[in-house]
Order: sequence, then C-alpha cells, then structure tokens
Amino acid sequence: AQSVAQPEDQVNVAEGNPLTVKCTYSVSGNPYLFWYVQYPNRGLQFLLKYITGDNLVKGSYGFEAEFNKSQTSFHLKKPSALVSDSALYFCAVRDPSGASKIIFGSGTRLSIRP
Amino acid sequence: KAGVTQTPRYLIKTRGQQVTLSCSPISGHRSVSWYQQTPGQGLQFLFEYFSETQRNKGNFPGRFSGRQFSNSRSEMNVSTLELGDSALYLCASSLEGGEYGYTFGSGTRLTVV
Repeated sequence: AQSVAQPEDQVNVAEGNPLTVKCTYSVSGNPYLFWYVQYPNRGLQFLLKYITGDNLVKGSYGFEAEFNKSQTSFHLKKPSALVSDSALYFCAVRDPSGASKIIFGSGTRLSIRP
Repeated sequence: KAGVTQTPRYLIKTRGQQVTLSCSPISGHRSVSWYQQTPGQGLQFLFEYFSETQRNKGNFPGRFSGRQFSNSRSEMNVSTLELGDSALYLCASSLEGGEYGYTFGSGTRLTVV
C-alpha cells in the first residue's frame, strides 16, 4: 500500500535562511509526488509535482523539491525563506497504477521568524 | 477560469441530523475527490468520483456517501451526524484521476453540536 511520511510536525527558520521540509514515501513502482500548501481557513494550493524526468522540480513561489529514488524522499526546499511562507505544508503521493487515490502526509507547519 | 466552488462555507448541525455538501469542479474536470481534515487525523480520503461513478473509497462508515452528476458537480452526504464528524471537508477536482495534481476548493467547515 502506498504511504507518505512527514517526520517533522513543525519547522522553524529565520527569514532569509534556506528551508527544507522533509517527506518520504512508499509506493510500488515509480510514484507521482506532490507538494501542497495550506493557509489558515483555506483549501490546499498546489506547489509542485514530480511525475518523471529531472530529479529537481521547480514550483510556485520559489519552492523546489528534490526527488531521490534511492532514499524514497521528496524534500521541499527554498533558498531564502520569507515570513509569508509560514503555513502548513503537505506532501502527497499517488500510485501511478491509476487504481488508487492521492494520499497525503500528516503535514508540517512551517514557521518563518522575522 | 473559475476555481473549485464548495458550498456552504460554514455549517452548524446538531447530532443526529444529516447534511449535504456541494462541490462544483473546474470546468472540464471529470474527477472529484473528497477529503476530511481534522487536527488529529489530518487529511483523510473519503471518496473519488469520475464520470458519475465512484472509483475509490476511503475507510469511512456508510453514513458518509456521495454522488456525482452528469455535469461533474458532486455532493457528499453525512447522515446521523456525530460530534466527531466536525471537520473541514475539502473537495478537489482534476482532469482525470489526479495524476497531474488536484485543485482544491476552500472547503466547508462543519461543526456538529
């Protein structure tokens, strides 16, 4: 069965510093991987996806994610954090077999201090 | 183009009542999925509809049901509400099955008292 894990409930970073939000996954075959962000009282907003191709994926708002097949990881990164990046971030995975749904991780709360 | 529209945004119901939530997907999207979000359980998959057929179902009791209409609009229904059903219910639409990501609505905040 497919699954995704976000080992950190909260990540705290100073503004201007690089940030990383971790995600590991488990799925048979080559996965479809996603990152979403959620602001208070809102739905989830799509940030980026990995389907195939380059291991470094660039997305919205300056975020990028690195797909590492050997470590089954898909960490979200940003070179320089902004206070406005503070939000709840979800990693998600879909089995490419097409028969299953998208499964979300438990979420990581990112807090950027000025 | 218009995004995913969920109505109502907020709802307060009493235990034992039933509730119907509505979701209008992005025009052209045929897949609609529903998720329940709570602080303790995170995002839990409820079900997915594609072309009026339920394609996937999560591990929720039979009190939770849904349907999709020919215009791809979807509704979910919860009968005999329990306090634990209080949550943010999110609808997500996609072209086919989410391979290229979902577009989420803002959700319906259901409070059961």
